[in-house]
Amino acid sequence: SQKIEQNSEALNIQEGKTATLTCNYTNYSPAYLQWYRQDPGRGPVFLLLIRENEKEKRKERLKVTFDTTLKQSLFHITASQPADSATYLCALQYSASKIIFGSGTRLSIRP
Amino acid sequence: DGGITQSPKYLFRKEGQNVTLSCEQNLNHDAMYWYRQDPGQGLRLIYYSQIVNDFQKGDIAEGYSVSREKKESFPLTVTSAQKNPTAFYLCASNPPAGEVTGELFFGEGSRLTVL
Repeated sequence: SQKIEQNSEALNIQEGKTATLTCNYTNYSPAYLQWYRQDPGRGPVFLLLIRENEKEKRKERLKVTFDTTLKQSLFHITASQPADSATYLCALQYSASKIIFGSGTRLSIRP
Repeated sequence: DGGITQSPKYLFRKEGQNVTLSCEQNLNHDAMYWYRQDPGQGLRLIYYSQIVNDFQKGDIAEGYSVSREKKESFPLTVTSAQKNPTAFYLCASNPPAGEVTGELFFGEGSRLTVL
């Protein structure tokens, strides 16, 4: 069965630095790879989607890469701020209904 | 504003009781989903529905039931057959049916605790 691993349960970095989160998967590549942000006690909020034929996607301070050879996606937040502290979820989408989520990485940005 | 509304936000249940979690959306989305989230784990799919009057089991459907009588509504019943129902339940939707369409829109979740 498909497995998703997000690099670590928690990541702590200094404000202003670039946060890099990793999502690795096994088996076959998805059509889409998505990243969500989840704050404590809230529902996830969609951030970015990248297609399997795309290498990189950017949105403001966010950048996502997708390497189907390595079976890995990297999620970067540049110029990180304490407000970026949250749990970030990686999700593999194979069809409209088949979306598999990782367990998330809890990111903390210290001032 | 368009969105997904889940209720109640917090719910306590005694063992042996069925409970129903509400999910309503005004986004005009065809597909709706129920996920379960446990601490340190990813979201796991319980049930999904791509169109009114049709729904399919997800990865962990045992002990749960759903209905989809209206496009806007997709309630989840946690039955007494669910062995470990304490969890955070998330409802989501995306448009339209039958295609890979991108992101899911989530509600704010319902936290169920069995006493």
